[in-house]
Amino acid sequence: EDQVTQSPEALRLQEGESSSLNCSYTVSGLRGLFWYRQDPGKGPEFLFTLYSAGEEKEKERLKATLTKKESFLHITAPKPEDSATYLCAVQATDAGNMLTFGGGTRLMVKP
Amino acid sequence: GAVVSQHPSWVICKSGTSVKIECRSLDFQATTMFWYRQFPKQSLMLMATSNEGSKATYEQGVEKDKFLINHASLTLSTLTVTSAHPEDSSFYICSANHPTGSYEQYFGPGTRLTVT
Repeated sequence: EDQVTQSPEALRLQEGESSSLNCSYTVSGLRGLFWYRQDPGKGPEFLFTLYSAGEEKEKERLKATLTKKESFLHITAPKPEDSATYLCAVQATDAGNMLTFGGGTRLMVKP
Repeated sequence: GAVVSQHPSWVICKSGTSVKIECRSLDFQATTMFWYRQFPKQSLMLMATSNEGSKATYEQGVEKDKFLINHASLTLSTLTVTSAHPEDSSFYICSANHPTGSYEQYFGPGTRLTVT
């Protein structure tokens, strides 16, 4: 059974204080690992897809990395507008198009 | 590109009535769409996979007679909650795979259902 665990559940940062969010996964065969951002009362917004260990992707203050067991979402010098819940999901090679989501990390950035 | 819309964004209905939620892909065709349910401060739970022109595939524990899914065209999937009860109150979100061959799913803005 595919499993995704995100940590921490909640993270409070001061503006400018860099940190990382963790996504640990167990999957029979990884087709892709996805990061989403979700604001309260809205649907998830796609951020990144990572397909193989060693791959990295960046977007503004966010950088996602992938190993064979986990992924990190690094946030550099965060701003209050980065406050949101960040969701990690995996898609297995034998699961069609189905995504398995982690519980999410609620990030709060204080000015 | 890859915009998914949902209608309505929120709905309040009385217990025992039925509610239909629409999910549309606005700038692409989606042969497959997905319906999720999300409780407060929890992650997304896949309810069913909606396939254009065929029956939906429901996840274990999801009542197919209660949550009716119809994917009548390549841009529209509907979820009907039949005989709604207060425990059906939740945030319902749909998604679709982008047809470029990548595996990303793009999500709609969600529909907040409250059953009184």
